[in-house]
Amino acid sequence: EPEVTQTPSHQVTQMGQEVILRCVPISNHLYFYWYRQILGQKVEFLVSFYNNEISEKSEIFDDQFSVERPDGSNFTLKIRSTKLEDSAMYFCASRGGGEYNEQFFGPGTRLTVL
Amino acid sequence: LAKTTQPISMDSYEGQEVNITCSHNNIATNDYITWYQQFPSQGPRFIIQGYKTKVTNEVASLFIPADRKSSTLSLPRVSLSDTAVYYCLVGPRGSSASKIIFGSGTRLSIRP
Repeated sequence: EPEVTQTPSHQVTQMGQEVILRCVPISNHLYFYWYRQILGQKVEFLVSFYNNEISEKSEIFDDQFSVERPDGSNFTLKIRSTKLEDSAMYFCASRGGGEYNEQFFGPGTRLTVL
Repeated sequence: LAKTTQPISMDSYEGQEVNITCSHNNIATNDYITWYQQFPSQGPRFIIQGYKTKVTNEVASLFIPADRKSSTLSLPRVSLSDTAVYYCLVGPRGSSASKIIFGSGTRLSIRP
């Protein structure tokens, strides 16, 4: 069964450093998403991406965040200058086109900012 | 998106049937009801989606009454591995449907 993969599984970084979280969505999917979940809290939407551009973003997704689909297979989330409060699980998700809107989530990257 | 209300937590035992009910009084005509499951330290996983009456797959059944103001996710003969958070979501299907807004979900604990 096709699945969304994410790397790394765990990333530790110092405050102020840049991090790039990587995702490989399911190959024929068209819509891509990033969510995050701070420990013990809800899963929060960050951004959706379609046709090589951001289609929607939340207020969390400020200028420190960016997304890119550089090569038609990878989908990346960059945080330019990490803060302590960016520590969370980051989930990538993808969805096919058409009526059926099931999103397939990756296993997540645990980001720890020290 | 219609607001949903579901129990914060539920406990059950292995082998039992578990029913988790979700209220969605303001469901719109074009809204579907979708349930996701999230195991600890994993991403959410789609379980089932329905519009009315009953939907069944290999994992669960979804019961939706005629007024569609509530729905019940039924997990037959649960095991320890069904311990997870279950999210009820209501919203339209189709290409215009985008982000998922997760609530707090129902934390289901299964005991031996």
